[in-house]
Amino acid sequence: RKEVEQDPGPFNVPEGATVAFNCTYSNSASQSFFWYRQDCRKEPKLLMSVYSSGNEDGRFTAQLNRASQYISLLIRDSKLSDSATYLCVVNRATGGFKTIFGAGTRLFVKA
Amino acid sequence: NAGVMQNPRHLVRRRGQEARLRCSPMKGHSHVYWYRQLPEEGLKFMVYLQKENIIDESGMPKERFSAEFPKEGPSILRIQQVVRGDSAAYFCASSPSYQETQYFGPGTRLLVL
Repeated sequence: RKEVEQDPGPFNVPEGATVAFNCTYSNSASQSFFWYRQDCRKEPKLLMSVYSSGNEDGRFTAQLNRASQYISLLIRDSKLSDSATYLCVVNRATGGFKTIFGAGTRLFVKA
Repeated sequence: NAGVMQNPRHLVRRRGQEARLRCSPMKGHSHVYWYRQLPEEGLKFMVYLQKENIIDESGMPKERFSAEFPKEGPSILRIQQVVRGDSAAYFCASSPSYQETQYFGPGTRLLVL
């Protein structure tokens, strides 16, 4: 089992749709959490950090549930420009510091 | 404020040659991370360095790969005697301190012929 697992995707949605991505992590010692997006053949770019209290940035909302070891990302009113791969990222510091990337979920937003 | 810089952006090597990939972190960042991404796959952590120190290299292949981050100058990822399976995108990221947000460079795409 992978340490960070994401929805397999791809997600194909029309413009204006709401789409939710899920991510689970297996190591309870994980300490910090992020969502990145990666466009084709580009570097990952930080979308948002994820906190237990939940956080929102415009159309994007991220949630962390430490008890269930679960992270989510909600995109409302999706735009064509949201088409990308969304990466769930977990930092942990036991067994050596390590940043673990999920395999990513690809999103296609159609007109 | 320049972002993370990597060079070269593209590198072609023949089997058996050496590849040197360079990464200059963002100004004020002393933590550098290297990742490898194979085509159609996710990013895999390779190594985490601070100035002059390797903090965690658990993701590095045991042979042919090495990394350094000297007191002066960029971080270097070195691959000796490259093989076709080394063809991938290699991304570098930097952060100001431990476990803070990592910012990525544009990557170096290595092609081994």
